[in-house]
Amino acid sequence: DTEVTQTPKHLVMGMTNKKSLKCEQHMGHRAMYWYKQKAKKPPELMFVYSYEKLSINESVPSRFSPECPNSSLLNLHLHALQPEDSALYLCASSQDREVGYGYTFGSGTRLTVV
Amino acid sequence: LAKTTQPISMDSYEGQEVNITCSHNNIATNDYITWYQQFPSQGPRFIIQGYKTKVTNEVASLFIPADRKSSTLSLPRVSLSDTAVYYCLLFIGSARQLTFGSGTQLTVLP
Repeated sequence: DTEVTQTPKHLVMGMTNKKSLKCEQHMGHRAMYWYKQKAKKPPELMFVYSYEKLSINESVPSRFSPECPNSSLLNLHLHALQPEDSALYLCASSQDREVGYGYTFGSGTRLTVV
Repeated sequence: LAKTTQPISMDSYEGQEVNITCSHNNIATNDYITWYQQFPSQGPRFIIQGYKTKVTNEVASLFIPADRKSSTLSLPRVSLSDTAVYYCLLFIGSARQLTFGSGTQLTVLP
């Protein structure tokens, strides 16, 4: 299995809702990442997990809460989002943080906040 | 952290070779140059990575001069399906972090 699987593919949520994005990989990668991508912009790094521990939090608002239950799974919990948080949320994995190549990205979750 | 600069857009015709150049004037000794391809509503896909000189794989070549202040992605004989955004990225060795550039929209015309 050489894929990163993200669910759901599309999500519409209200500003008072709580939802979660899920990401799964079975490549034995020990680093996993969340990126946010606005239309016609490059992906921006949000969080990095290395060996299931949070390594980087790029000053992301607390309404985004990451979780790494095990080495194959990565969640992003969403609460009280704003319309400007609407974006494509991408999950990625790599062998580990020391390796700068071979990042595998999922297809993303298209999030719309209404 | 070092950043990359690349053209916003490029047009080409089917069957032509396309060269996309990226500048990274502040690249550090332990930074690597990486290129990704992204189609609409999909995640970026790894194309090629290099440190210096030339690297070639089954889909592209990457040329990096000795001063490493720029790099050129070469796509041989492009087809319509190569229409996508191409990102020049640096893997910042000191931060162990992949940093995306602004991207180049390549449009291949028939």
